[in-house]
Amino acid sequence: DAGVIQSPRHEVTEMGQEVTLRCKPISGHNSLFWYRQTMMRGLELLIYFNNNVPIDDSGMPEDRFSAKMPNASFSTLKIQPSEPRDSAVYFCASSSRQGAPTDTQYFGPGTRLTVL
Amino acid sequence: KQEVTQIPAALSVPEGENLVLNCSFTDSAIYNLQWFRQDPGKGLTSLLLIQSSQREQTSGRLNASLDKSSGRSTLYIAASQPGDSATYLCAVSPGEKLTFGTGTRLTIIP
Repeated sequence: DAGVIQSPRHEVTEMGQEVTLRCKPISGHNSLFWYRQTMMRGLELLIYFNNNVPIDDSGMPEDRFSAKMPNASFSTLKIQPSEPRDSAVYFCASSSRQGAPTDTQYFGPGTRLTVL
Repeated sequence: KQEVTQIPAALSVPEGENLVLNCSFTDSAIYNLQWFRQDPGKGLTSLLLIQSSQREQTSGRLNASLDKSSGRSTLYIAASQPGDSATYLCAVSPGEKLTFGTGTRLTIIP
Protein backbone atom coordinates (compact mmCIF):
# COMPACT_ATOMS: atom_id res chain seq x y z
CA ASP A 1 0.00 0.00 0.00
CA ALA A 2 1.27 3.46 -0.91
CA GLY A 3 0.09 5.02 2.33
CA VAL A 4 -1.52 8.44 2.56
CA ILE A 5 -0.39 10.65 -0.32
CA GLN A 6 -0.22 14.42 -0.08
CA SER A 7 0.64 17.00 -2.68
CA PRO A 8 2.43 19.24 -3.04
CA ARG A 9 5.13 18.47 -0.47
CA HIS A 10 6.22 22.09 -0.37
CA GLU A 11 4.32 25.21 -1.32
CA VAL A 12 5.58 28.77 -1.28
CA THR A 13 3.10 31.46 -2.13
CA GLU A 14 2.48 35.14 -1.62
CA MET A 15 -0.04 36.62 0.75
CA GLY A 16 -3.47 36.85 -0.81
CA GLN A 17 -3.05 33.92 -3.16
CA GLU A 18 -5.25 30.84 -3.12
CA VAL A 19 -3.63 27.64 -1.92
CA THR A 20 -4.99 24.12 -2.48
CA LEU A 21 -3.58 21.13 -0.66
CA ARG A 22 -4.46 17.62 -1.79
CA CYS A 23 -4.76 14.27 -0.07
CA LYS A 24 -5.36 10.72 -1.17
CA PRO A 25 -6.21 8.45 1.79
CA ILE A 26 -5.34 4.80 2.07
CA SER A 27 -7.67 2.73 -0.06
CA GLY A 28 -10.53 1.31 1.99
CA HIS A 29 -10.22 3.83 4.82
CA ASN A 30 -13.42 5.69 5.53
CA SER A 31 -12.23 8.47 7.84
CA LEU A 32 -10.01 11.35 6.76
CA PHE A 33 -8.44 14.04 8.93
CA TRP A 34 -6.71 17.35 8.20
CA TYR A 35 -4.21 18.64 10.79
CA ARG A 36 -2.00 21.69 11.04
CA GLN A 37 1.33 21.69 12.89
CA THR A 38 3.15 24.80 14.06
CA MET A 39 5.85 25.40 16.61
CA MET A 40 3.58 27.60 18.68
CA ARG A 41 0.41 25.50 18.72
CA GLY A 42 1.63 21.99 18.03
CA LEU A 43 -0.58 19.60 16.10
CA GLU A 44 -4.21 20.69 15.75
CA LEU A 45 -7.14 18.94 14.11
CA LEU A 46 -8.79 21.19 11.54
CA ILE A 47 -11.57 18.99 10.16
CA TYR A 48 -12.43 15.35 9.69
CA PHE A 49 -14.67 13.39 7.35
CA ASN A 50 -16.37 10.06 7.72
CA ASN A 51 -17.63 8.37 4.56
CA ASN A 52 -16.91 11.61 2.67
CA VAL A 53 -19.15 13.67 4.97
CA PRO A 54 -17.64 16.45 7.14
CA ILE A 55 -18.26 15.46 10.76
CA ASP A 56 -16.48 18.16 12.73
CA ASP A 57 -14.98 21.35 11.33
CA SER A 58 -14.70 23.18 14.63
CA GLY A 59 -10.95 23.37 14.27
CA MET A 60 -11.05 25.29 11.00
CA PRO A 61 -9.60 28.65 11.99
CA GLU A 62 -11.49 31.00 9.71
CA ASP A 63 -13.80 31.20 6.75
CA ARG A 64 -10.70 31.48 4.59
CA PHE A 65 -10.25 27.75 5.12
CA SER A 66 -12.45 25.19 3.40
CA ALA A 67 -12.20 21.44 2.88
CA LYS A 68 -13.94 19.04 0.56
CA MET A 69 -14.04 15.33 0.02
CA PRO A 70 -15.81 14.68 -3.29
CA ASN A 71 -15.14 10.94 -3.16
CA ALA A 72 -13.53 8.29 -1.00
CA SER A 73 -10.12 8.67 -2.59
CA PHE A 74 -9.57 12.42 -2.65
CA SER A 75 -9.78 15.45 -0.40
CA THR A 76 -8.68 19.07 -0.66
CA LEU A 77 -7.95 21.79 1.85
CA LYS A 78 -8.15 25.27 0.41
CA ILE A 79 -7.02 28.57 1.85
CA GLN A 80 -8.29 31.71 0.15
CA PRO A 81 -6.84 34.26 0.61
CA SER A 82 -3.69 33.00 2.28
CA GLU A 83 -1.89 34.96 5.00
CA PRO A 84 1.63 34.66 6.47
CA ARG A 85 0.20 33.23 9.72
CA ASP A 86 -1.10 30.24 7.73
CA SER A 87 2.50 29.08 7.28
CA ALA A 88 2.68 25.61 8.80
CA VAL A 89 2.91 21.95 7.96
CA TYR A 90 -0.45 20.50 6.99
CA PHE A 91 -0.98 16.78 7.49
CA CYS A 92 -3.65 14.52 6.16
CA ALA A 93 -4.42 11.24 7.94
CA SER A 94 -6.83 8.40 7.34
CA SER A 95 -8.20 5.53 9.38
CA SER A 96 -10.50 2.59 8.98
CA ARG A 97 -13.27 2.74 11.51
CA GLN A 98 -14.19 -0.93 11.30
CA GLY A 99 -17.02 -0.39 13.74
CA ALA A 100 -14.80 1.01 16.50
CA PRO A 101 -14.93 4.71 17.42
CA THR A 102 -11.23 5.07 17.00
CA ASP A 103 -8.60 3.20 15.11
CA THR A 104 -5.00 3.99 14.37
CA GLN A 105 -4.61 7.01 12.13
CA TYR A 106 -2.08 6.81 9.32
CA PHE A 107 -0.44 10.10 8.46
CA GLY A 108 0.81 11.43 5.17
CA PRO A 109 4.21 13.11 4.86
CA GLY A 110 2.69 16.59 5.09
CA THR A 111 2.72 19.74 3.00
CA ARG A 112 5.00 22.50 4.20
CA LEU A 113 3.28 25.79 3.38
CA THR A 114 5.10 29.10 3.42
CA VAL A 115 3.11 32.27 2.83
CA LEU A 116 5.30 35.30 2.19
CA LYS B 1 -11.27 21.32 27.15
CA GLN B 2 -8.79 18.46 27.06
CA GLU B 3 -5.17 19.47 27.57
CA VAL B 4 -2.29 17.10 26.98
CA THR B 5 1.15 17.82 28.41
CA GLN B 6 4.44 16.12 27.75
CA ILE B 7 7.42 16.75 29.96
CA PRO B 8 10.29 17.12 29.30
CA ALA B 9 10.19 18.86 25.95
CA ALA B 10 13.60 17.44 25.11
CA LEU B 11 15.66 14.53 26.43
CA SER B 12 19.16 13.24 25.63
CA VAL B 13 20.37 9.86 26.84
CA PRO B 14 23.36 7.63 26.02
CA GLU B 15 22.79 4.66 23.76
CA GLY B 16 21.78 1.51 25.57
CA GLU B 17 19.95 3.16 28.43
CA ASN B 18 16.33 2.55 29.26
CA LEU B 19 14.14 5.64 29.34
CA VAL B 20 10.63 6.81 30.12
CA LEU B 21 8.60 9.49 28.39
CA ASN B 22 5.66 11.04 30.18
CA CYS B 23 2.23 12.20 29.06
CA SER B 24 -0.51 13.71 31.21
CA PHE B 25 -4.06 14.71 30.29
CA THR B 26 -6.73 16.68 32.12
CA ASP B 27 -9.94 14.89 31.13
CA SER B 28 -10.06 11.18 31.98
CA ALA B 29 -13.09 10.58 29.73
CA ILE B 30 -11.01 9.15 26.91
CA TYR B 31 -11.59 6.22 24.62
CA ASN B 32 -7.97 5.50 23.99
CA LEU B 33 -4.45 6.92 24.07
CA GLN B 34 -1.91 6.64 21.31
CA TRP B 35 1.80 7.20 21.10
CA PHE B 36 3.27 8.44 17.84
CA ARG B 37 6.76 9.00 16.55
CA GLN B 38 7.68 11.86 14.23
CA ASP B 39 10.98 12.04 12.39
CA PRO B 40 12.21 15.42 11.09
CA GLY B 41 10.35 16.46 7.95
CA LYS B 42 8.13 13.41 8.08
CA GLY B 43 4.62 12.54 9.11
CA LEU B 44 3.62 10.70 12.26
CA THR B 45 3.91 6.97 12.74
CA SER B 46 1.67 5.24 15.25
CA LEU B 47 3.64 3.20 17.78
CA LEU B 48 1.10 1.94 20.29
CA LEU B 49 -2.60 2.35 20.95
CA ILE B 50 -4.02 1.65 24.41
CA GLN B 51 -7.76 1.27 24.79
CA SER B 52 -9.24 2.89 27.90
CA SER B 53 -10.01 -0.54 29.34
CA GLN B 54 -6.37 -1.60 29.06
CA ARG B 55 -3.47 -0.78 31.32
CA GLU B 56 -0.58 -1.32 28.93
CA GLN B 57 0.55 -2.31 25.47
CA THR B 58 3.88 -3.67 24.31
CA SER B 59 5.61 -3.72 20.96
CA GLY B 60 9.19 -4.91 20.84
CA ARG B 61 11.31 -2.62 23.00
CA LEU B 62 8.39 -0.28 23.61
CA ASN B 63 5.91 -0.50 26.47
CA ALA B 64 3.15 2.03 27.05
CA SER B 65 1.07 2.24 30.19
CA LEU B 66 -2.16 4.06 30.91
CA ASP B 67 -3.63 5.21 34.23
CA LYS B 68 -6.90 6.92 33.38
CA SER B 69 -7.77 7.85 36.94
CA SER B 70 -4.61 9.88 37.36
CA GLY B 71 -4.57 11.13 33.76
CA ARG B 72 -1.14 9.74 32.99
CA SER B 73 0.62 7.58 30.45
CA THR B 74 4.22 6.56 30.09
CA LEU B 75 6.19 5.24 27.15
CA TYR B 76 9.09 3.02 28.19
CA ILE B 77 11.88 2.41 25.69
CA ALA B 78 14.31 -0.36 26.55
CA ALA B 79 17.91 -0.52 25.40
CA SER B 80 17.75 2.73 23.45
CA GLN B 81 19.38 2.97 20.02
CA PRO B 82 20.41 5.97 17.89
CA GLY B 83 17.55 5.10 15.53
CA ASP B 84 15.12 5.89 18.35
CA SER B 85 16.01 9.58 18.04
CA ALA B 86 12.81 11.38 17.06
CA THR B 87 9.97 13.40 18.54
CA TYR B 88 7.42 11.33 20.45
CA LEU B 89 3.85 12.56 20.77
CA CYS B 90 0.98 11.19 22.76
CA ALA B 91 -2.63 11.77 21.78
CA VAL B 92 -5.92 11.09 23.54
CA SER B 93 -9.37 10.77 22.10
CA PRO B 94 -12.97 10.61 23.28
CA GLY B 95 -13.81 9.30 19.85
CA GLU B 96 -12.28 10.03 16.47
CA LYS B 97 -10.85 13.43 17.38
CA LEU B 98 -7.30 13.26 18.67
CA THR B 99 -5.84 15.85 21.02
CA PHE B 100 -2.07 15.83 20.81
CA GLY B 101 0.58 16.74 23.32
CA THR B 102 3.43 19.01 22.24
CA GLY B 103 5.89 16.16 22.16
CA THR B 104 9.23 15.15 23.62
CA ARG B 105 12.26 15.42 21.35
CA LEU B 106 14.46 12.43 22.12
CA THR B 107 18.13 12.25 21.19
CA ILE B 108 20.08 9.03 21.71
CA ILE B 109 23.79 9.71 21.97
CA PRO B 110 25.97 7.01 20.34
